[in-house]
Amino acid sequence: ETGVTQSPTHLIKTRGQQVTLRCSSQSGHNTVSWYQQALGQGPQFIFQYYREEENGRGNFPPRFSGLQFPNYSSELNVNALELDDSALYLCASSSMSRDRGPNEQFFGPGTRLTVL
Amino acid sequence: GQNIDQPTEMTATEGAIVQINCTYQTSGFNGLFWYQQHAGEAPTFLSYNVLDGLEEKGRFSSFLSRSKGYSYLLLKELQMKDSASYLCAVRDNPGGYNKLIFGAGTRLAVHP
Repeated sequence: ETGVTQSPTHLIKTRGQQVTLRCSSQSGHNTVSWYQQALGQGPQFIFQYYREEENGRGNFPPRFSGLQFPNYSSELNVNALELDDSALYLCASSSMSRDRGPNEQFFGPGTRLTVL
Repeated sequence: GQNIDQPTEMTATEGAIVQINCTYQTSGFNGLFWYQQHAGEAPTFLSYNVLDGLEEKGRFSSFLSRSKGYSYLLLKELQMKDSASYLCAVRDNPGGYNKLIFGAGTRLAVHP
């Protein structure tokens, strides 16, 4: 296990609703990235948070937003849900560092969101 | 544009060797990662290459050629538990932050 936790595990919503997903990063990590993984596809980068600010963003509309808290945990909020938002949402924690090592991202177990 | 290609599916026999290829065309490059993902689970880190050449880690090895935009993951002495999806990901560093660009994954089925 990576030490990254996410809640809830599964969620069912209807079109137009709003959803909040939560992530607790691994101890010692200060950066959280969020990814969307549709069935049969690789994860797609949504955005990244570092020091409580959005540090970078992928090609997702503004109805996808987030927060990072002082303890480095994070939330992903999605407004006006659409059917195509049905996916596995993964958060990954890492350490922003000048170390030459891989500084790999460690993934949580994900939240499976179904939009009906 | 960003493009990472890998085969959709592969099959292999228990005890054998399998090579999963990945080609990439990305605007930036700051390392290539391989992750393993079992169905319904999170991706788990397998290997990392940033310089050309082979990195060996137990039964798994990964190779990188930056000039060719090419990597492969080599799995030896295959076990049934190796049945999973294998994700190739390039780390890009646009504007000072690291993001991973993933391929669609290669589903490997290991048969007895």
